[in-house]
Amino acid sequence: GAGVSQSPRYKVTKRGQDVALRCDPISGHVSLYWYRQALGQGPEFLTYFNYEAQQDKSGLPNDRFSAERPEGSISTLTIQRTEQRDSAMYRCASSPRQAYGEQYFGPGTRLTVT
Amino acid sequence: GENVEQHPSTLSVQEGDSAVIKCTYSDSASNYFPWYKQELGKRPQLIIDIRSNVGEKKDQRIAVTLNKTAKHFSLHITETQPEDSAVYFCAASIRGFPVFGNEKLTFGTGTRLTIIP
Repeated sequence: GAGVSQSPRYKVTKRGQDVALRCDPISGHVSLYWYRQALGQGPEFLTYFNYEAQQDKSGLPNDRFSAERPEGSISTLTIQRTEQRDSAMYRCASSPRQAYGEQYFGPGTRLTVT
Repeated sequence: GENVEQHPSTLSVQEGDSAVIKCTYSDSASNYFPWYKQELGKRPQLIIDIRSNVGEKKDQRIAVTLNKTAKHFSLHITETQPEDSAVYFCAASIRGFPVFGNEKLTFGTGTRLTIIP
C-alpha cells in the first residue's frame, strides 16, 4: 500500500513568514511522529500523536512550533515567524498502533528560510 | 533523557567482507532498538530491530546483537555488497506498555558505510 506522504516536498520561504507542513500517514496507523533532520545527522524528535492526542511535545524547539492532528489521521506542523535556523528536513513517521515500536518514515519536507 | 552514541562515523569495507557498527545508550529503561538505512536523498528505512527480551536477531545478511548489561547494541552485515553503501542510524526508545507516551526514537549520529568493489 501507499507509504507515508508529506507535502510540500520543498518549501522556500522568507524569514518571518509562517509555514505549514503536512503529513499523511499510512492508512490506519495510530501513531504519528514529527522529526527534524539536519544534513548528515540523525532525525531529532519534535512531537508525536496517538490518534488525535498529542502525547509528547518536548522536542519542539520553542513556541513558534506547533502541531495538530485533529481527526487522528493527517497532521500539520506549523512554524510561525520562520527564522533561518529553522531550515532543515522535516520528516514524519507513522506506526501501526500505540507502543508498536516500528516507525515508517515519509520522504520529508525540505524547508529553506531565506 | 536518552543519549545514543554511534561508532564509527565512517567505515569502508571491501566487497564481500563484514561490517560492524556499534551503538551505546544511556537510559536503562530503553527496550526497543531499531536500525535504519538511509541512502542519499532518500528517507530512512527500517532494516532490522531488536527488543530487550532478545539478545540477537538475524535477517539474511544482517544481524543485530544487544547487551543490556553493558547498554550497547551492534549491527553486523556479512558478505557486503555495493548496494549496502549508505548511512546507517541506530536508535533507541522505550516501547509502550505499561508506560505509554515515551515512544520517541533517539537516534545516533550515523555511520557512512562505503563498500569498495
